[in-house]
Amino acid sequence: DSGVTQTPKHLITATGQRVTLRCSPRSGDLSVYWYQQSLDQGLQFLIQYYNGEERAKGNILERFSAQQFPDLHSELNLSSLELGDSALYFCASSATGGNYEQYFGPGTRLTVT
Amino acid sequence: AQSVTQPDIHITVSEGASLELRCNYSYGATPYLFWYVQSPGQGLQLLLKYFSGDTLVQGIKGFEAEFKRSQSSFNLRKPSVHWSDAAEYFCAVGVVGFQKLVFGTGTRLLVSP
Repeated sequence: DSGVTQTPKHLITATGQRVTLRCSPRSGDLSVYWYQQSLDQGLQFLIQYYNGEERAKGNILERFSAQQFPDLHSELNLSSLELGDSALYFCASSATGGNYEQYFGPGTRLTVT
Repeated sequence: AQSVTQPDIHITVSEGASLELRCNYSYGATPYLFWYVQSPGQGLQLLLKYFSGDTLVQGIKGFEAEFKRSQSSFNLRKPSVHWSDAAEYFCAVGVVGFQKLVFGTGTRLLVSP
């Protein structure tokens, strides 16, 4: 158990819908990262927040957004969902914002039908 | 841009035999290097990391990895594989000041009796 929690574990929704994925980092970690794992793209970095502020952006679509709240939990919002958005979405956290080891949650499996 | 190559998509090893998983990275300076393991339906677990210093690093579950700057490699090894080691293994590179991990495509390890 990494100490990073993600909810829900599974999510099935229809095209065009909007969903919110939630992540709670390890106790004391200020940095949260979101990754997408799909069969065709592999593991891709989406976005990072550090202590409530966006720190880095990767291959995140404009339809996707994230935020980190004062209690340090983070949410990833996915809207206008397409079939190709079906993937495993991982949250990770680290103690600093400087890319030391990241600890991953169990993931949320999103299926868009 | 940073990149990671894991040339072996699948590897089959007999239980009790030794294991080496290959990883090559591309980056101009010394990176941070990681190996993660993902069991089916699970998140990613950090096996070991290299930041600096001794180029042979020890990790959990009896794994070790050796950083070879001249070959831009960070191969993962285990002297005797157990059936429970069957999983997917990901090599990742992080860069100082760069707020993400770049992952390889993974190597799926199968353990035969």
